[in-house]
Amino acid sequence: NAGVMQNPRHLVRRRGQEARLRCSPMKGHSHVYWYRQLPEEGLKFMVYLQKENIIDESGMPKERFSAEFPKEGPSILRIQQVVRGDSAAYFCASSSSGSLSYEQYFGPGTRLTVT
Amino acid sequence: AQSVSQHNHHVILSEAASLELGCNYSYGGTVNLFWYVQYPGQHLQLLLKYFSGDPLVKGIKGFEAEFIKSKFSFNLRKPSVQWSDTAEYFCAVNAGTNAGKSTFGDGTTLTVKP
Repeated sequence: NAGVMQNPRHLVRRRGQEARLRCSPMKGHSHVYWYRQLPEEGLKFMVYLQKENIIDESGMPKERFSAEFPKEGPSILRIQQVVRGDSAAYFCASSSSGSLSYEQYFGPGTRLTVT
Repeated sequence: AQSVSQHNHHVILSEAASLELGCNYSYGGTVNLFWYVQYPGQHLQLLLKYFSGDPLVKGIKGFEAEFIKSKFSFNLRKPSVQWSDTAEYFCAVNAGTNAGKSTFGDGTTLTVKP
């Protein structure tokens, strides 16, 4: 039973380019969460999605960042016109429900480096 | 809004020493509490979790944590650490209407000297 999968594991982009991060949740999970971990900090919530719906995007920067979770395929976190401050580890988690009693399972993360 | 505070940023211990990492959260209602570990170069792994019931929770690798509701605390303990416990430890909380997301502390880096 495969866990949460993320790709790529490492991504290098020049300033101004676009970054696309992919997350495939665990089998049977329809809830996906994206977190960002800056150096020396904990994980910060970005966005919570269900299939075809954004449930909570309170942690997403207002500009350049977007996320989707289509009916078919992985969830995508897109960062347009990347800047050096976007360099971080981006973690995806999934759960079978969004209710309080269900834990989240984390993927290995994508480490984005902006040069 | 809920928040999580981990008081120790970096802890250094010798092997066989006892460990206690502090975690306090701010939320007055029902909470789920977690401790995660992140070994160097690896992703987050769940150590233990508290949803309800016995406030003393036992997890993997000999770790345990105690939920003290009156103190809003969920401290992590291990009676005798090993060199392989060197890692970063994160406390997290899911709470109230924000059940869809976890709030994490900033983490505690544990270094165990052989």
